[in-house]
Amino acid sequence: DGGITQSPKYLFRKEGQNVTLSCEQNLNHDAMYWYRQDPGQGLRLIYYSQIVNDFQKGDIAEGYSVSREKKESFPLTVTSAQKNPTAFYLCASSFGTKGAQPQHFGDGTRLSIL
Amino acid sequence: QKEVEQNSGPLSVPEGAIASLNCTYSDRGSQSFFWYRQYSGKSPELIMSIYSNGDKEDGRFTAQLNKASQYVSLLIRDSQPSDSATYLCAVRSSGYSTLTFGKGTMLLVSP
Repeated sequence: DGGITQSPKYLFRKEGQNVTLSCEQNLNHDAMYWYRQDPGQGLRLIYYSQIVNDFQKGDIAEGYSVSREKKESFPLTVTSAQKNPTAFYLCASSFGTKGAQPQHFGDGTRLSIL
Repeated sequence: QKEVEQNSGPLSVPEGAIASLNCTYSDRGSQSFFWYRQYSGKSPELIMSIYSNGDKEDGRFTAQLNKASQYVSLLIRDSQPSDSATYLCAVRSSGYSTLTFGKGTMLLVSP
């Protein structure tokens, strides 16, 4: 079955710790995205990547980092510089980034502070 | 700054009624419009996309686009309790690689 797999489903971070959220897709999509969703809020874009080995900052990139070494994978690291990391993190992908290409989402990772 | 506005709701409708969800956007150059459904605690699921002025129907769902007035709407006919969710409107502006999401409208369908 084709889809987007995010892991883990739940993650707890200690103070001063970096944590990495995994996102893998087998849809052969070129573009991948990371969003953050806070309660009662819409989706805010953290980073996106249109092609392997290239990525761009979104609206709230501070305190986060990404890599895109393989087409299928786009991991997100939440660094200790992100002071308020508690949120629902969503990974999405699409065939392209122009025109009519919709984004499809993984099941998400809930990150909390210990 | 591209903005997408939705009434946060909740919009309450009885089972069997038509639910009407609205979305306005600020960028006149916007070209692609998407509706996502998000159940509580779950991730968004694409339910409709529309690119041209007018109506687009898919089962019980109809998306309506009016570029001159800069609004897009979603109608859900014969609403069911299982339609109770938050509906997110997303817009892509011409020349942009990313989507701008509204904060969503919560729909409650009572039996």
